[in-house]
Amino acid sequence: GQNIDQPTEMTATEGAIVQINCTYQTSGFNGLFWYQQHAGEAPTFLSYNVLDGLEETGRFSSFLSRSKGYSYLLLKELQMKDSASYLCAVRSTTSGTYKYIFGTGTRLKVLA
Amino acid sequence: GAGVSQSPSNKVTEKGKDVELRCDPISGHTALYWYRQSLGQGLEFLIYFQGNSAPDKSGLPSDRFSAERTGGSVSTLTIQRTQQEDSAVYLCASSLVGDGAEAFFGQGTRLTVV
Repeated sequence: GQNIDQPTEMTATEGAIVQINCTYQTSGFNGLFWYQQHAGEAPTFLSYNVLDGLEETGRFSSFLSRSKGYSYLLLKELQMKDSASYLCAVRSTTSGTYKYIFGTGTRLKVLA
Repeated sequence: GAGVSQSPSNKVTEKGKDVELRCDPISGHTALYWYRQSLGQGLEFLIYFQGNSAPDKSGLPSDRFSAERTGGSVSTLTIQRTQQEDSAVYLCASSLVGDGAEAFFGQGTRLTVV
């Protein structure tokens, strides 16, 4: 089966760094995605990893270890607007079809 | 279109009625997904269409739920004999097929069954 685990809630202070972890079990792994979702809005794409290592995009970085089934999203220089849910998603492929399976999301609260 | 479009944005229906939710994906995206998100929860996979392949219906919670995609573009999710537990936000996403292709989401349809 497929399973994705991430913490339910995290709290951090404005200007700090926060790391959101995600562990997964899946067959046909074809990439790991992180999405941001503000309350009442649609998820928006943040980052993508398919090979082991770190990908950096501005204040956000994402890390992947395929052998450990582990990823994390690192947010630096936190801003109030970063308060949102962060969704870890695994894309799996079977016989040429692709499917995104999402975790339950981590609700991040950034405090002043 | 410029993005994924869903309609209606809000739908209130009486228990037992049928509802249809529409999704218009990004032009050229061959893959289309439906997800359900209950309040404060993650995204629950419902169904996936890719090109002319048979859809992956493995996430549909019951036979009251069905979906079709006409002409490889617009998709309709139908819920028959709605129940209160069907109340949720229904999100549609589309993507290209290939490594690194991200899914783009519509704004969703908030369904309330009273």
